[in-house]
Order: sequence, then structure tokens, then C-alpha cells
Amino acid sequence: KNEVEQSPQNLTAQEGEFITINCSYSVGISALHWLQQHPGGGIVSLFMLSSGKKKHGRLIATINIQEKHSSLHITASHPRDSAVYICALGGATNKLIFGTGTLLAVQP
Amino acid sequence: DAGVIQSPRHEVTEMGQEVTLRCKPISGHNSLFWYRQTMMRGLELLIYFNNNVPIDDSGMPEDRFSAKMPNASFSTLKIQPSEPRDSAVYFCASSQVGTDTQYFGPGTRLTVL
Repeated sequence: KNEVEQSPQNLTAQEGEFITINCSYSVGISALHWLQQHPGGGIVSLFMLSSGKKKHGRLIATINIQEKHSSLHITASHPRDSAVYICALGGATNKLIFGTGTLLAVQP
Repeated sequence: DAGVIQSPRHEVTEMGQEVTLRCKPISGHNSLFWYRQTMMRGLELLIYFNNNVPIDDSGMPEDRFSAKMPNASFSTLKIQPSEPRDSAVYFCASSQVGTDTQYFGPGTRLTVL
């Protein structure tokens, strides 16, 4: 069983829709990361969180440590949000364990 | 800051050739990571360094792969000899020890024919 699983694998939304991407994991972590990979390939770190909730613009990330679950929400989605969103687990060392990613396409 | 710099951005080579990928981390960062991304396996950690010292190379596929960090501002990932299954995008990332947030370079797309 994979240590980290994301759902859905693929998501198509209409512009303006509220989007949720989920990440479940089975190991102890020190932090959970959400990354965005653009169609051109570049990877950007969106959030790092170990508890609660963080917000940056239209993006919101939450984590429930007891349930070993995190969600990434996008409000008022826009075509420029189209990307692969990757959940990654951080442990006691700086190593990251990556999920397989969620491919998001936001249509105008 | 220029961010993490990787070179070359694209590399096409023939099977059996030696390939060297280069990375310059963000100034002041003391952790450096090499990742590989393929369609089949997604992102995988190959090796990481803290303060120029390799900490964990358990992700290095086999002896054909080697990585060095001779100083705080430069690292190389070498594949010798290269094989078609090494074709992938190789990312370098850096961070400050204790901060967890990693900053990724643009990646090197390697194609081994």
C-alpha cells in the first residue's frame, strides 16, 4: 500500500468552481507539503503545514493529523490554475515522499 | 535571488555515454536534493545533502549514478554509462535545514537514445 494517496487523479472543472483535492497518508509525518507543477514542468511549493489550516489567496490547505488527511481547496477556479497538484510527506529528516499527483484542468 | 539553477535544461545522448547534470542551490541554503520524475514512477528522491555531506542516497538506482557536492554552491549528478531507462526529468531542490520548504529548479529533461 502506498504511504500517500491522492484523489482524484484527474479533475476537470469549469471556471469559477470550488475545487477540492484530497491527500491521505499512513505514516507519521512532521509536515505535509502541497506542490504545484505547471504544464511547462516547473514545481512550486504552495504550502507546508503540520496542523490546522493555511490560506494564500484563493488557495486553502487543511490537515487533520488524527485522521491522516489533508485537503487543498481552490476557490473561484481559473484556467491558470490548471496544473498537477502534488501532496508530499515530510518526516524527521528533510526527505519528501510524493503522491502521484492530481491533474487539474479548469475550462473557461 | 535567481532561484535554483540547473543545467543543462535539455540533454539528449546515446546509450553508454556519460551524462553530468549540474545544480546551483539558492545562496544560504544548506540542504540540496536530487529528484527524478518519470511518468511511471512520478517524483522520487535520489539523494540529498546537508551542509555538502550526503545524508541519504538510498534512492540512487544503482552504481551507474553518483552525486557530489564539492561546495555549498554546486552539485552534480552523474550517470555513467547512461541507459534509455534513465530518460526522465531530473530536478534539483534546495532548502534551509529546519525550514522544510524546498525550492525547485526548472529541471533537466534527459533523453537517452
